[in-house]
Amino acid sequence: GAVVSQHPSWVICKSGTSVKIECRSLDFQATTMFWYRQFPKQSLMLMATSNEGSKATYEQGVEKDKFLINHASLTLSTLTVTSAHPEDSSFYICSSKIRQGYEQYFGPGTRLTVT
Amino acid sequence: RKEVEQDPGPFNVPEGATVAFNCTYSNSASQSFFWYRQDCRKEPKLLMSVYSSGNEDGRFTAQLNRASQYISLLIRDSKLSDSATYLCVVNDYKLSFGAGTTVTVRA
Repeated sequence: GAVVSQHPSWVICKSGTSVKIECRSLDFQATTMFWYRQFPKQSLMLMATSNEGSKATYEQGVEKDKFLINHASLTLSTLTVTSAHPEDSSFYICSSKIRQGYEQYFGPGTRLTVT
Repeated sequence: RKEVEQDPGPFNVPEGATVAFNCTYSNSASQSFFWYRQDCRKEPKLLMSVYSSGNEDGRFTAQLNRASQYISLLIRDSKLSDSATYLCVVNDYKLSFGAGTTVTVRA
């Protein structure tokens, strides 16, 4: 199957700082990438959908000014958590969709801890 | 009502046992369904798609009941390596995930 990478795999930061998470599709071009968040023992929740070359579409309740998404190329999308707070601590997972397909391929996730 | 609901379990079964669990979905117009597997602190991995007629992949069998709006997953001859959380996923314009059913297979 297709390979999606994320970097970093885990990060600890202080409250008030910003954190950037990268999501890359390694062996295919991804026109669409998705960002999810998962709190312990809860389901993955879609935060936003990013399309290469256009603005991301955010789900209801997700602050676009706090979670900045940039999908600058067909292989890279970034999520920046601005002014992070402890309640932003979570498992952030991206996924990519192959141009003609509907299956999503998930990255390994980034565990963010804000102290 | 949540879009996708699952019994969280855990289901603790001995090796070799059969375990089955369901997932209900709220949108009667949903057409596309999947089961994903998620290991602790890892990303979800696609286990199998769920087809209207039901489908089998080795020891795993998935069924869809549109009338009652649920899908099921059955695991036969459980292995220790089957221990994981199984996520029910409904694909409408986006993927909607259940919170998962935890299965623990013991030796």
